[in-house]
Formats: sequence, structure tokens, C-alpha cells
Amino acid sequence: DIQMTQSPSSVSASLGDRVTITCRASQGVSSWLAWYQQKPGKAPKLLVYGASSLQSGVPSRFSGSGSGTDFTLTISSLQSEDFATYYCQQANSFPFTFGPGTKVEIK
Amino acid sequence: EVQLMESGGGLVQPGGSLRLSCTASEFTFTTYWMTWVRQAPGKGLEWVAHIKQDGSQKYYMDSVRGRFTISRDNTKKSLSLQMNSLRVEDTAVYYCARNGWGRYFDLWGRGTLVTVSS
Repeated sequence: DIQMTQSPSSVSASLGDRVTITCRASQGVSSWLAWYQQKPGKAPKLLVYGASSLQSGVPSRFSGSGSGTDFTLTISSLQSEDFATYYCQQANSFPFTFGPGTKVEIK
Repeated sequence: EVQLMESGGGLVQPGGSLRLSCTASEFTFTTYWMTWVRQAPGKGLEWVAHIKQDGSQKYYMDSVRGRFTISRDNTKKSLSLQMNSLRVEDTAVYYCARNGWGRYFDLWGRGTLVTVSS
């Protein structure tokens, strides 16, 4: 199975800050990588797919990059509605696996 | 409105069975692979099972293979998860999710809570 790791596990940031989250796969997944946002008590929401394609309706302050084993999700200017937990997911091979999550908190 | 709605969760004893259902609305159900994803209380997301549009291909995570069965009824726009021999560690919120491009989860239900406890 492909193992996914994320760093940091949590980050404290202020409104307007640039935030970068890293995801690493234990083996190459090409560009088969997605990012999700989850708020407490809610279902996850797809933000980025194919490593860098923004899902329809997602604000342009979100961006994804990377390929192979190393990926990043960047929020260019943090807004109040962005405080949440973010998960990466590899879709290269079964079983599809998620990273452990990165919690973005208010500083 | 385009949506997924799960039902069937509840409290069950270890070793028991439960059947989850998910009903799709306002999209062409037969076009999409479908998936169950779960989340234990306070924990991360875990992919559980995946089914092709016509039901001809199914995939499972190792810890549920042989105990859980994913199925679909395209005439009713419905997805199911039959869960047998339930264990305490199966306790979680179970989400059904639509697969965009067959691999990414672009539409989620609200989830249904399954609690396995004596």
C-alpha cells in the first residue's frame, strides 16, 4: 500500500498569511493526487485534483503543485473560512489512501 | 439539488451486521464510480470500498475484505454497504462519495454514524 504523510500536522496562522502544506507519498503516484478540506462536523470537500487542477467553485487562493512523491497545497492569503483540516489523497492505485491531515488554526 | 444521502447507521454489537444505503439525486448515477469512505471519531479519513458504474468491479481495503460488500442498484440510483462481523474498530462516520474521473471524491453525503459496542 502507498503511505501518505503530511507536514506539518498543524499550523497556526493569521488572516492574510500564506500557508503551505506538504504531502509525501511512499512511492510515486504520478499526478494522481487530490486535496480535501474538512470543517468540524462536515463532510470533506474536494479542492484540488490531478495534483494541480482546481475543482470548480474553489477560490483561486488555493493552488496545488508537485508530481511523483512530493506535493504541496498553498493558500496564498488565508481567509477566516479556510480554518479547517486538510487531507491529501493518492489515487494512483488501490487501496486509495489519505494523509493524516493538517489542521490550520487561528494564531 | 445534486446530493447524496446516507442512511442505515446505528448502534450494533460486535459480531453483528448493518446495511448502509446511499441515495443519489439530480445527477446521472450510472456515469460514476462510487465509494464508501469512513472516519473514526477524532481520526482521519479512510477509504473503504469502491464500485464501478455497472458493478462489475469492486475493491476493498484489506481490513474489511470478506466482511463488507459494496453494491449498487442503478435503477434506484442507490449505493449500499453490507457490513457483517462488525468490530469495535469499525466504529466511524461512513460517507458515500461520487468519483469524479473515477478516482477523486467530488461529491459527498453528510455521513451516517456506525457505533460498534457491547
